[in-house]
Amino acid sequence: DTEVTQTPKHLVMGMTNKKSLKCEQHMGHRAMYWYKQKAKKPPELMFVYSYEKLSINESVPSRFSPECPNSSLLNLHLHALQPEDSALYLCASSQDAGQGFGISPLHFGNGTRLTVT
Amino acid sequence: AQKITQTQPGMFVQEKEAVTLDCTYDTSDPSYGLFWYKQPSSGEMIFLIYQGSYDQQNATEGRYSLNFQKARKSANLVISASQLGDSAMYFCAMREGGQNFVFGPGTRLSVLP
Repeated sequence: DTEVTQTPKHLVMGMTNKKSLKCEQHMGHRAMYWYKQKAKKPPELMFVYSYEKLSINESVPSRFSPECPNSSLLNLHLHALQPEDSALYLCASSQDAGQGFGISPLHFGNGTRLTVT
Repeated sequence: AQKITQTQPGMFVQEKEAVTLDCTYDTSDPSYGLFWYKQPSSGEMIFLIYQGSYDQQNATEGRYSLNFQKARKSANLVISASQLGDSAMYFCAMREGGQNFVFGPGTRLSVLP
């Protein structure tokens, strides 16, 4: 069983909808991540939270809005998405966000398959 | 320039045989970690094995081993005694000290009965 839980597993939304993806980890990790993955491609980094503060935003459009309410939870708020935003959205956590010599692995959730119609 | 290269888009292996998935990397940082992830068709990314740049011995985890050749900058994954459940996409990834993860393009492994 994965120790990083994502909900929902599947989401279909229209371009005018507002929805949220949720992620929870109980591994005591201090860094949490959102990745976007298109079919047959590697994951692409979107956001990194380190100690509950946004540390990296990889030039993601503002229609994606991350939120980290506490060290265990990570949300991704979606608004006015485009069909090209359809993808698998993966949440991950790690012990650290790579400050200094940080070589802890990423632990991923099962992902949310998002379809924008 | 690509930091992680996986030259095999697809591989086939007979059940119970061993298979090697190639990964080469590029870094000038002396401190880095190398990782392999498995992604079945269901989508979850499963962490398999890790090798640190200063580790003297090759990493092993059950049927997975990492053939680490530092001078060649290669970190090949060896899966012994392949099982049908090993059919999946496999990603090699690197993390340099203080940096984020970089993923390779992946190799799709198909295990034949």
